[in-house]
Amino acid sequence: QITLTESGPALVKVTQTLTLTCTFSGFSLTTNEVGVVWIRQPPGKALEWLAIIYWNDDKRYSPSLKNRLIVTKDTSKNQVVLTVTNMDPVDTATYFCAKTNWGSWYFDLWGRGTLVTVSS
Amino acid sequence: QSALTQPASVSGSPGQSITISCTATSSDVGGFTYVSWYQHHAGKAPKVMIYDVSYRPSGVSDRFSGSKSGNTASLTISGLQAEDEADYYCSLYTSSNDYVLFGGGTKLTVL
Repeated sequence: QITLTESGPALVKVTQTLTLTCTFSGFSLTTNEVGVVWIRQPPGKALEWLAIIYWNDDKRYSPSLKNRLIVTKDTSKNQVVLTVTNMDPVDTATYFCAKTNWGSWYFDLWGRGTLVTVSS
Repeated sequence: QSALTQPASVSGSPGQSITISCTATSSDVGGFTYVSWYQHHAGKAPKVMIYDVSYRPSGVSDRFSGSKSGNTASLTISGLQAEDEADYYCSLYTSSNDYVLFGGGTKLTVL
């Protein structure tokens, strides 16, 4: 059974750096063609794709946020970490991680998300 | 830059069929090949219902189907059930910018 669980602070302050962890089980990021993606959803708004990292350490970022995002993986811990710098109230959102596959461009299994609020 | 437009809400009675559209506002959508649809019940993990325009993942009911015409993709749900009430999002991979767009979401109400 594949599971993904997002974790991190529920509250951060403006200008701080947010670090979120996606801990997964049931698959490995050492397996060819596997990837993990980060997606967020501000309250009452649409989903927004943020970043993706693949088994081979290939990474892609949202063009509008790429200067503020870093995604890394720790295969020994089955974790993917997303760092978002210079947080702003507009970054308040539920952050999801999901599993994907190279070249497929859909996200087959998701976590339930973690809500992050940015306070001024 | 492309955007994906969905109706804010749709509704239908149990047993009926509904269709949710997803229209790209730009022509640079790479042939609309990598379209997927997600069902999201609040507080739960989103679930992929359709990928690559019209393919259903294993375990998804065949009441869900996908199609496309030009710059518009569609999700059709037939034989509506109460459990189908949720938010639905389309997504599209844009090769020109090498990232994934999501639509604004459609709230489905089963009357």
